[in-house]
Amino acid sequence: DVKVTQSSRYLVKRTGEKVFLECVQDMDHENMFWYRQDPGLGLRLIYFSYDVKMKEKGDIPEGYSVSREKKERFSLILESASTNQTSMYLCASTKVGGPQHFGDGTRLSIL
Amino acid sequence: AQTVTQSQPEMSVQEAETVTLSCTYDTSESDYYLFWYKQPPSRQMILVIRQEAYKQQNATENRFSVNFQKAAKSFSLKISDSQLGDAAMYFCAYRRFIQGAQKLVFGQGTRLTINP
Repeated sequence: DVKVTQSSRYLVKRTGEKVFLECVQDMDHENMFWYRQDPGLGLRLIYFSYDVKMKEKGDIPEGYSVSREKKERFSLILESASTNQTSMYLCASTKVGGPQHFGDGTRLSIL
Repeated sequence: AQTVTQSQPEMSVQEAETVTLSCTYDTSESDYYLFWYKQPPSRQMILVIRQEAYKQQNATENRFSVNFQKAAKSFSLKISDSQLGDAAMYFCAYRRFIQGAQKLVFGQGTRLTINP
């Protein structure tokens, strides 16, 4: 079975902090994604990566950056956390042409 | 730009009954995929069913089936013989390709409650 692991299930940080959310997949998938999930808005794509060191902005990239130094790991970075970034963050990965597999999500609170 | 709309924020159904969740989408493409995902309280997003736009036959997976109306851009999910374990958020999604990656566009979600 495909395993997508997000480093934290819950995370509490303070305004202005630099925050790292980590995601690791074990199936050699080319594509990886970061979404945020908010009530009434569904899932919205923040960034995606289609290969190592390659990244593309999604629909809501402002305030975020990403890093993909190794194929299995895709990190989401909040450069200076703000309260409006309190949300659920979901990571996903996929082989080209296949379905997306999701992690269990990180519920991030910014105080 | 592609959009996906789920007009039912919440639905409820009696156990063992049938329920239909609605989804409409907007696209100018002719070939695409549509998906229904389930998110139980455990938060794991689970793929329920997928439909390829070029296939006229509606997809079926056990108790789950879709009614795909391409001209109307409608993609509803029917759950037969509802079970307590079906309680979850359900998301409709459209898949498009960009920069060699397949991106999903999600609807707002429908929270399904199963009444025993």
